[in-house]
This record gives sequence, structure tokens and C-alpha cells, in this order.
Amino acid sequence: GDSVTQMEGPVTLSEEAFLTINCTYTATGYPSLFWYVQYPGEGLQLLLKATKADDKGSNKGFEATYRKETTSFHLEKGSVQVSDSAVYFCALINAGNMLTFGGGTRLMVKP
Amino acid sequence: NAGVTQTPKFRILKIGQSMTLQCAQDMNHNYMYWYRQDPGMGLKLIYYSVGAGITDKGEVPNGYNVSRSTTEDFPLRLELAAPSQTSVYFCASSYVQGAVFGELFFGEGSRLTVL
Repeated sequence: GDSVTQMEGPVTLSEEAFLTINCTYTATGYPSLFWYVQYPGEGLQLLLKATKADDKGSNKGFEATYRKETTSFHLEKGSVQVSDSAVYFCALINAGNMLTFGGGTRLMVKP
Repeated sequence: NAGVTQTPKFRILKIGQSMTLQCAQDMNHNYMYWYRQDPGMGLKLIYYSVGAGITDKGEVPNGYNVSRSTTEDFPLRLELAAPSQTSVYFCASSYVQGAVFGELFFGEGSRLTVL
């Protein structure tokens, strides 16, 4: 079946550092890919998405590019802020219309 | 805009007790979902529904039941609570039409502890 693998956290960075959170997937066909963010005590919110190969999703300074050749959808941000501290989930939707989530990566940004 | 509303936010149960987690959405979404999130883990799908009157099992359905009598409501029932059901539960909804997958909107979560 489909699966999503994320780098384990926590990832601890200083403010203004560069962020990369790796995400790779296994799926048949052509899934849509997503990054969700979960701030402390809240539900998940969609951060960005990409629906086909080579698409780049972007939002709030975060970017991720759908790489079919490497089955990856790595999340990047050039300069993180303390307010970006959260848990980030990579996910995919395939033909079954069900989201499959990765295990989540906790990001901690220190001032 | 209420979005997806879950109640209660917190609940402590004794082993063997029953309870229902309520979920309501006001966005006229056809798909609704229940996920559980265990500490340090990702979300696992318990049950989902593609429309009123239709429900189906997800990855971890054992110990749970659902119903979808209306488009708006999707309650999750725990019949005989067990410590393994201690988790945070998230309800979500989306609009799906053909091959177009809409964004999932999540509730704020319900933290359940079974002692």
C-alpha cells in the first residue's frame, strides 16, 4: 500500500536558519502530495500542496517540489522564525481519496 | 465560520465505559474522517464516510463504530474503552468531486484517556 516516510525529529534550529524536512513516498499511480502543520494544542492545517510532478507548492515562505524521479517532497524554508515551531506532516492522496500521513517531524526554533 | 467542531475536548474514561465523540461540519463537505494520533506518531485513519448513509473502515477500526445519518454529523462511538484507545482523536472533512481531492479541514482534537 501507500506510505510516507519523514525524517525523525525533533529538528532544532536557531532563528533565521535554513530548514529542510525530508519526505519520501511510496505509491502507485500519481498521488497528490501535501504538507500539513500542527501548532501546539491545535488541529492540522494545510500548509501547501502539489498535484503533479515538478509542481512547486509554496506558502508562508515554505516550499516543496514534487519530484517523481526521486519520489520525494522535501519541505524547505530559507529563514525560520520562532513562530514556525510546530509538528510538520507530509501526506499523500491517491486514487482511494484517503490521506496517508507520515509520522510527523517536530521543529523547534530557538531565538 | 465554525468549520469542523469536535466535542468534548478532553475526557477521562474508565476501562469498559462507553462514549461518543461528536463531530460536526458546516461546509457541506461530502467526505468525513476520524483519525487518531498517538504520542510522537502520525495520524491513523479509523473510519471514513463518503456521504450520508455510507461509512467504511480505515486502517485501525477495531473498538470503534461510526454513523453518518446527515451530511453534517459524523459521531465516533467507543463501546468498551480500553487503555490502548488513549489517544488524541481528530475529525476532518473535505469536498471530493470525481478525481479532484479537496483540502482536508481538521477539528481541534479530542484528548481521550482511558484508565
